[in-house]
Amino acid sequence: QVYLEESGGGVVQPGRSLRLSCEASGFTFTTSGMHWVRQAPGKGLEWVAVISHDGDNKFYGDSVKGRFTISRDNSKNTLYLQMNSVRAEDTAVYYCARNKDGYNFFDYWGQGTLVTVSS
Amino acid sequence: IQMTQSPSSLAASIGDRVSITCRANQTIGIYLNWYQQKPGQAPNLLIYAASSLQSGVPSRFSGSGSGARFTLTINSLQPEDLATYSCQQGYRRPWTFGQGTKVEIK
Repeated sequence: QVYLEESGGGVVQPGRSLRLSCEASGFTFTTSGMHWVRQAPGKGLEWVAVISHDGDNKFYGDSVKGRFTISRDNSKNTLYLQMNSVRAEDTAVYYCARNKDGYNFFDYWGQGTLVTVSS
Repeated sequence: IQMTQSPSSLAASIGDRVSITCRANQTIGIYLNWYQQKPGQAPNLLIYAASSLQSGVPSRFSGSGSGARFTLTINSLQPEDLATYSCQQGYRRPWTFGQGTKVEIK
């Protein structure tokens, strides 16, 4: 079955960097677009970024544009989120999610990894 | 595109019919999806394209609507339906979610 496992979360100081990973299994990773979605404590869901199946197309939410970079390694079935110049408002659980082919929704989610930005 | 859900929370009894509304600030066709998020868990897709039931989701869940107004209905609420429900538009980037509706059991 489809399985997504995030890792790399933790406590990071404002202005520093962190890289999240999402290892995928149970489906053909190389044909699926992938997203990062986050949820601040007690808040709603916020879409962060999407990458096409081949990595050629990437789009970002306004709040992370220019600071975060989404990428993937199809040889490792792994999705990444490079987070630079982090801010307190980036504190959230970060989920990776698969894009349903031909649609714009998230049909499978990982369990999430918590990022806390604090000095 | 801004998505607004109502109510923000509700409490209902087992067996009740529950409805949650999601409104977009512009027309989005049927590009509307619903997710369930149980406490401490990741979101789970319930409904896509406004009214299509995701595989494995119980048939007591249904979705309706088009344009800018949508409804998620739970027929005969069950104890395991305790969760927060969120809508999401897939019409145009950036994909946006409603703020969520917390469903509690009386």
